[in-house]
Amino acid sequence: EPEVTQTPSHQVTQMGQEVILRCVPISNHLYFYWYRQILGQKVEFLVSFYNNEISEKSEIFDDQFSVERPDGSNFTLKIRSTKLEDSAMYFCASSDIERGQETQYFGPGTRLLVL
Amino acid sequence: AQSVTQLDSHVSVSEGTPVLLRCNYSSSYSPSLFWYVQHPNKGLQLLLKYTSAATLVKGINGFEAEFKKSETSFHLTKPSAHMSDAAEYFCVVSDRGTYKYIFGTGTRLKVLA
Repeated sequence: EPEVTQTPSHQVTQMGQEVILRCVPISNHLYFYWYRQILGQKVEFLVSFYNNEISEKSEIFDDQFSVERPDGSNFTLKIRSTKLEDSAMYFCASSDIERGQETQYFGPGTRLLVL
Repeated sequence: AQSVTQLDSHVSVSEGTPVLLRCNYSSSYSPSLFWYVQHPNKGLQLLLKYTSAATLVKGINGFEAEFKKSETSFHLTKPSAHMSDAAEYFCVVSDRGTYKYIFGTGTRLKVLA
């Protein structure tokens, strides 16, 4: 069964460093999303992406964040200068809305720890 | 604006007894609702979804949920809990315009032997 994959599974970085989180969505999906879950808190929407542009972003998704689909398979989330409060689990998801399927399929997540 | 409220942050049941995880939604139109499960250190797995078809929705692992418009509820149930059901459960509503997910705060289910 097709699934969303994410790399790395864990990332430790120093405050102020740049990180890139990678995702490979399900191959025929065209809508992509990033969410994050700070430890002990609920899952929060960050950004959605369709047709090579951002569809919507939350107020969390400030200028330090960017997303890109550099090729036909990868979908990346970049944090330019990490802060302590960026420590969280980051989930990528994809969906097949063109075929009327709103259901989002999630990757296993990347746990980011900023020191 | 759409939202979901999970009424219990923690639920404990004994193995073999029924499970009820409560979720209420707020939406100005007919919502798409989902339940996801997150086992420790794992990702989010879809349990079931409601998208305006049958109001009683059956999902994986014996779970089901009933959409009740009059009560704006979408409670998750299972007749008999299993130890492997211990996890965090999220009720989710999909935004009609953008399809982004709005998550509830989650309910941690504990299953006692």
